[in-house]
Amino acid sequence: NAGVTQTPKFRVLKTGQSMTLLCAQDMNHEYMYWYRQDPGMGLRLIHYSVGEGTTAKGEVPDGYNVSRLKKQNFLLGLESAAPSQTSVYFCASRFPGLEAFFGQGTRLTVV
Amino acid sequence: SQQGEEDPQALSIQEGENATMNCSYKTSINNLQWYRQNSGRGLVHLILIRSNEREKHSGRLRVTLDTSKKSSSLLITASRAADTASYFCATAVYTGANSKLTFGKGITLSVRP
Repeated sequence: NAGVTQTPKFRVLKTGQSMTLLCAQDMNHEYMYWYRQDPGMGLRLIHYSVGEGTTAKGEVPDGYNVSRLKKQNFLLGLESAAPSQTSVYFCASRFPGLEAFFGQGTRLTVV
Repeated sequence: SQQGEEDPQALSIQEGENATMNCSYKTSINNLQWYRQNSGRGLVHLILIRSNEREKHSGRLRVTLDTSKKSSSLLITASRAADTASYFCATAVYTGANSKLTFGKGITLSVRP
């Protein structure tokens, strides 16, 4: 019973490099979300999706892109990483009107 | 700016005491949810209250919602050292075809044995 799985769990990038974070859920959830968590800032919504093929911007979308080509996967891309994107990234999924299930997080450091 | 704001930012209590945490939000919501996060881990859902509900219970948890004041409170009764964690409120807001779930900055709860 995997739930929400994020890969990778840790990553160090150099400034200007690109990478993709993968979120996979096996609960057939419609909604998926990407958040970043920084000390003292709580969780801030980056992008989200309410269904396959749809995406929408959250509170802090700049510097990130997302895709939801399959219902079970939600990809978060950083085209040109910056030190300000050093953070812990969380993915979550849920059914409409219900609670969210979270992955264990990806700790990203940009040097 | 973030939709939910928790209060206080930090709370330290003795084991066995009750812990009360508050959340205020800005716009109309579909439901409000409380989550817990242990250090370095993902968030775990605790309780959900819909906009047409005023109070819900789950074990030692009691949550209230006052939509006229745009506020919610989470009460943990008879706290235990294992309740030490960060607690977040999240609001689900429907905007047309989309549904945001936005979080506050969280409350750090320390329960002293």
